[in-house]
Amino acid sequence: QSALTQPASVSGSPGQSITISCTGTKSDVGGYKSVSWYQQHPGEAPKLLIYDVNDWPSGVSRRFSGSRSGNTASLTISGLQTEDEADYYCCSYNGLTYVFGTGTRLTVL
Amino acid sequence: QVQMVQSGAEVKRPGASVKVSCKASGYTFTNYDINWVRQATGQGLEWMGWMIPKGGDSGYAQNFLGRVTLTRDTSRSTAYMELSDLRSEDTAVYYCARGPHSSYYAMDVWGQGTTVTVSS
Repeated sequence: QSALTQPASVSGSPGQSITISCTGTKSDVGGYKSVSWYQQHPGEAPKLLIYDVNDWPSGVSRRFSGSRSGNTASLTISGLQTEDEADYYCCSYNGLTYVFGTGTRLTVL
Repeated sequence: QVQMVQSGAEVKRPGASVKVSCKASGYTFTNYDINWVRQATGQGLEWMGWMIPKGGDSGYAQNFLGRVTLTRDTSRSTAYMELSDLRSEDTAVYYCARGPHSSYYAMDVWGQGTTVTVSS
């Protein structure tokens, strides 16, 4: 299965909001509620930010929010902070397997 | 607290096999699935497969069918990923990640990663 499509990079200034898109098909992103988002800082393991399109695991800041329209899911980060600079990956479960997005590098200017 | 602790780095020759372990603690091992994900240097995340500790059933990504085997030892709360017929392109960091699939489909706790280097 092909990776989900994300922009290679996005940037923003502290305090601003940014949105990262994740485009799949009706067989993954558009067909299942099981879209999740992960944050990965250099040299570290990924961290779960969002599951089931727009729900938060315990301890994750509400500055991170998820949504979906058709076959495209989105992660919005509001009130950007310097520590948000990292790589972000979407992921979709399709009933049998998972597929990750291509990843987006967020730069906080 | 919930932790997934993986075995140390490995260096293997092409054609060899590698077995990575992932020891879970802080929760009931058989109540959560275990996923395996890899990441080549400078590249994205790639899901390899998952294993259900309770019954031992497993599922694999198409790219790894026939080369990866996922097992577990419930008495040790440890999951294993064995990758055979190693190639240079298998050089990557391999992660285990817990899946709370009775609640939702995602990976909520990750191991620290195990670096596997394939080189002649």
